[in-house]
Amino acid sequence: AQSVAQPEDQVNVAEGNPLTVKCTYSVSGNPYLFWYVQYPNRGLQFLLKYITGDNLVKGSYGFEAEFNKSQTSFHLKKPSALVSDSALYFCAVRDLMDSNYQLIWGAGTKLIIKP
Amino acid sequence: EAGVAQSPRYKIIEKRQSVAFWCNPISGHATLYWYQQILGQGPKLLIQFQNNGVVDDSQLPKDRFSAERLKGVDSTLKIQPAKLEDSAVYLCASSLLAGSYYEQYFGPGTRLTVT
Repeated sequence: AQSVAQPEDQVNVAEGNPLTVKCTYSVSGNPYLFWYVQYPNRGLQFLLKYITGDNLVKGSYGFEAEFNKSQTSFHLKKPSALVSDSALYFCAVRDLMDSNYQLIWGAGTKLIIKP
Repeated sequence: EAGVAQSPRYKIIEKRQSVAFWCNPISGHATLYWYQQILGQGPKLLIQFQNNGVVDDSQLPKDRFSAERLKGVDSTLKIQPAKLEDSAVYLCASSLLAGSYYEQYFGPGTRLTVT
């Protein structure tokens, strides 16, 4: 069955430190992978995606993510965290064998950046 | 470029009443999605439209939920009658096409409280 796991409900990081938000997935075919961010009382915003090519993809607001096929992971990273990065982060995957291209969503990870 | 518009932003109704949500996608986006997001969870797809045709409504509770996208632009999601468990944020999203590598753009959502 298709699934996405975000193993940490919450991640706490001090401002200026590097951050990692973890995501692992399970699909039948090859995956397309996405990260979205949700600020309080707002809709989700697209951050970045992996389609093909370089395993390290760069996105908005200085975020990047690394696709690891052997570990079926797509962790979100940022070298130096800002307080304004505090938000809810969702990982999502599309299974290329799904003809409807439905996005499978993780449950989300709350990122708290402390000054 | 204008984003996805939704209204109302907030709605409080009593159980067994009806409610309707409106969505206007980004201009030129052929694909429109309605999601239900319960607090602490990732979004759950209710229905996906390609232009004015339904692509996927497998998770739409059709005994009480209905949606339409007349003329392939605006869309309306209706709940009749509402239940307590329908309390959630209803998100509308659009994408250029339904292809697997297209990211989705989300509106701010409608927070529904059923009492």
